[in-house]
This record gives sequence, structure tokens and C-alpha cells, in this order.
Amino acid sequence: GAGVSQTPSNKVTEKGKYVELRCDPISGHTALYWYRQSLGQGPEFLIYFQGTGAADDSGLPNDRFFAVRPEGSVSTLKIQRTERGDSAVYLCASSLTYAGGGKVEQFFGPGTRLTVL
Amino acid sequence: GQNIDQPTEMTATEGAIVQINCTYQTSGFNGLFWYQQHAGEAPTFLSYNVLDGLEEKGRFSSFLSRSKGYSYLLLKELQMKDSASYLCAVLDYGGSQGNLIFGKGTKLSVKP
Repeated sequence: GAGVSQTPSNKVTEKGKYVELRCDPISGHTALYWYRQSLGQGPEFLIYFQGTGAADDSGLPNDRFFAVRPEGSVSTLKIQRTERGDSAVYLCASSLTYAGGGKVEQFFGPGTRLTVL
Repeated sequence: GQNIDQPTEMTATEGAIVQINCTYQTSGFNGLFWYQQHAGEAPTFLSYNVLDGLEEKGRFSSFLSRSKGYSYLLLKELQMKDSASYLCAVLDYGGSQGNLIFGKGTKLSVKP
């Protein structure tokens, strides 16, 4: 009965470097979401996957950000040429697929705290 | 545009009742969620409303008025462990999945 897990829990990098953040969703959850949370703010949507495909990537701030979910389970958020403004907590969430509407609870992981120096 | 407003901070006394308000203006609406987030931890689900009215779950209740774009979270018999941020979020998509649009959160401090 593991929840959503994310690795690493903390990542410190230098400006201009490339980073990868990993998310393991709850087993059986087909929907996976990435959010970014800055200090004192609510989570901000980045991208959402339904299975292997990105159903909505409208929240990605620019083309330095990219995410994949090749087998429909684990997802990796990739950030190229990191900037200081990318520093934030990156949260992953997953949810079950359902048909016909109704409550869709998103279960969040503990997040990865990214610091760009 | 998308806009979700909630107070930045609130303070209440242990054992008391507190109401945290949320107003929203979004292009679509498929339900409103309340999440609790302790400092440094992940948000955890508290409640969901999609129809007008009050949903009660133990010490926590949530109310929704779609015509007014308004919701509140009511916490009764406050405990020290209720000190946390409370996030209001609207599910904006039609259909079965979608992303949540979050407010900035209300930081609640419960004092003895």
C-alpha cells in the first residue's frame, strides 16, 4: 500500500545544469500530474499524463521543461539549462481513472525540493 | 482568467471553530477540493464538493455555492495538529480527468 514516491527528496544544482526528477505513482493509477510549488504559494499545474501520453502540457513554463512516462507508470520531469527561478518544490500526484464523472482524488507525493544556485 | 482567492493567514484557539473562505472564477468547473498541507509535506485530501450544499466529514465540513463561486471549509473542535495550510482547488476540466487550479493557501495557526 505504498503511496506516491518521488526521488530525490532534495536536489541542489548549479545554474545551467540539467536535472531529472522522478515520480513513482500509486500502482494502478493511470493519471499522473506534475505541479510546482513556490514558497507561500499553492501548487501550480505543469503537465498531466493519461497512461503514456501527455494529455495536457499547457502548464510547462517553456521548452526547457519536458516530462515523459514511457511505460505508463513511472514519470520523469526533465529540466534543461536550469535557472535560479526554477527553484521550487516539484510535486507529483496520481489518480485512478474512472468513467462518468465524480470525485477524482489526487494523491500527492512528498515532492522534490530543487535549489538552483 | 483563472482566479482563486482565500485569506493568507488565520489564527484560532484550540477547541474553537474556524471557517476558511474561498472564492473562485474559472473558465470551467467540475468540482472543488480542499487539501491540508503541513509545512514541508505533501497536500492531503480533505473534501470534495461538486453540488451546492454542505458536505460533513467528522470535524471537517465543506460548503459550496456554484452560483456565487464560493466555498468554505469549517473546522470544529480545533486541535493543535490542525495548524497547517489549507488549499482550495478547482477542477477545471470537463470529463474524467484534469488538472487542479489551486489558491495560494490559508495558513492556519491554532493556539492553546
